[in-house]
Amino acid sequence: GIQVEQSPPDLILQEGANSTLRCNFSDSVNNLQWFHQNPWGQLINLFYIPSGTKQNGRLSATTVATERYSLLYISSSQTTDSGVYFCAVGGTGANSKLTFGKGITLSVRP
Amino acid sequence: EPEVTQTPSHQVTQMGQEVILRCVPISNHLYFYWYRQILGQKVEFLVSFYNNEISEKSEIFDDQFSVERPDGSNFTLKIRSTKLEDSAMYFCASSMTGWSGNTIYFGEGSWLTVV
Repeated sequence: GIQVEQSPPDLILQEGANSTLRCNFSDSVNNLQWFHQNPWGQLINLFYIPSGTKQNGRLSATTVATERYSLLYISSSQTTDSGVYFCAVGGTGANSKLTFGKGITLSVRP
Repeated sequence: EPEVTQTPSHQVTQMGQEVILRCVPISNHLYFYWYRQILGQKVEFLVSFYNNEISEKSEIFDDQFSVERPDGSNFTLKIRSTKLEDSAMYFCASSMTGWSGNTIYFGEGSWLTVV
């Protein structure tokens, strides 16, 4: 099946700093979603972005499907950005399931 | 924005007991999913469901697990005889169609603790 690798595994930032989170995947995809898992375990959908660039406030994401990677940018980080960020992809086959990466643990310090 | 809702948010059960986790998918969605996340690990696909049938299941989804859509709104995951290793967060999700390019929306999860 499709492989998803996220880097770095852990990231520590000072409040106000910017960061880039990376997701590499091993095959063509029809779906790519970024999630933020908050301290209560809830998965918050950030972006649906199988290709192109999107922005939502301080967050933006870019997927270069031909090169099989996606980047999540966080600008002016806040302590509430802390948590685990997951990239999940859906392949081009008939089924629609998502395959998740192992996640990136972000800690933003005041 | 429409939501996938799950109940209970947290359940503690004795090993060997049956557990039913409930989900209300987004109303016009046709595909439903269950995923599992063991503490500290990644989210794993369990099963997808469409038109009252399982579309796909992972190797985790063994005979102890079953899914059902008992009425027009609920979607349930049943674990017949829970084991300690079933302790995890279980996420329900739904999408409008089964096309792999559709956004999949996740519920807030149900923590299951087996003691």
